Amino acid sequence: DTEVTQTPKHLVMGMTNKKSLKCEQHMGHRAMYWYKQKAKKPPELMFVYSYEKLSINESVPSRFSPECPNSSLLNLHLHALQPEDSALYLCASSPIDRGLSGELFFGEGSRLTVL
Amino acid sequence: GQNIDQPTEMTATEGAIVQINCTYQTSGFNGLFWYQQHAGEAPTFLSYNVLDGLEEKGRFSSFLSRSKGYSYLLLKELQMKDSASYLCAVRSSNQAGTALIFGKGTTLSVSS
Repeated sequence: DTEVTQTPKHLVMGMTNKKSLKCEQHMGHRAMYWYKQKAKKPPELMFVYSYEKLSINESVPSRFSPECPNSSLLNLHLHALQPEDSALYLCASSPIDRGLSGELFFGEGSRLTVL
Repeated sequence: GQNIDQPTEMTATEGAIVQINCTYQTSGFNGLFWYQQHAGEAPTFLSYNVLDGLEEKGRFSSFLSRSKGYSYLLLKELQMKDSASYLCAVRSSNQAGTALIFGKGTTLSVSS
């Protein structure tokens, strides 16, 4: 299984809603990532988890709250978002072992629209 | 800080060869990656360089010079399906962790 699975694929939410994006991988990767991508822009790093611990937070607003319940799952909890948060949210995973190239495997993304 | 530069757009014709350049300045360099992204899809891995030199993989090759902070992706025998955005990404490591930082991407248009 070489897939990173993200749900939902599409999400529309109001500014007062609370929702969550979910990501799952079964490749045994111990690093997982959230990226945000706006149209015609590159992916921007949001969070990195290494061994289920948050290792990098790229100054992301607190209305985005990541969670890594176990080594296969990564969630992104959303609350009180703004319309400018509308974007494609990409989850990725990678092996940490230095013997591997450490390439990132991306999910297909969750396209979020905030009304 | 980190800075990754690549051209915004390039055009080429079917069957041709195209070279997409990438220059970078980063701390804790730990490898350079090239990804391909078609519109509306997730990025897919193309190549990885951590040592100087050329890595070849079918129609795609990637080159790295760490002393110059420079890489290129070479695409041969271009096909229409190669029209996509090509993302140069640098992996940097520090005590906080490891992450890939992407350049702005080069949109390649292949015409017949």
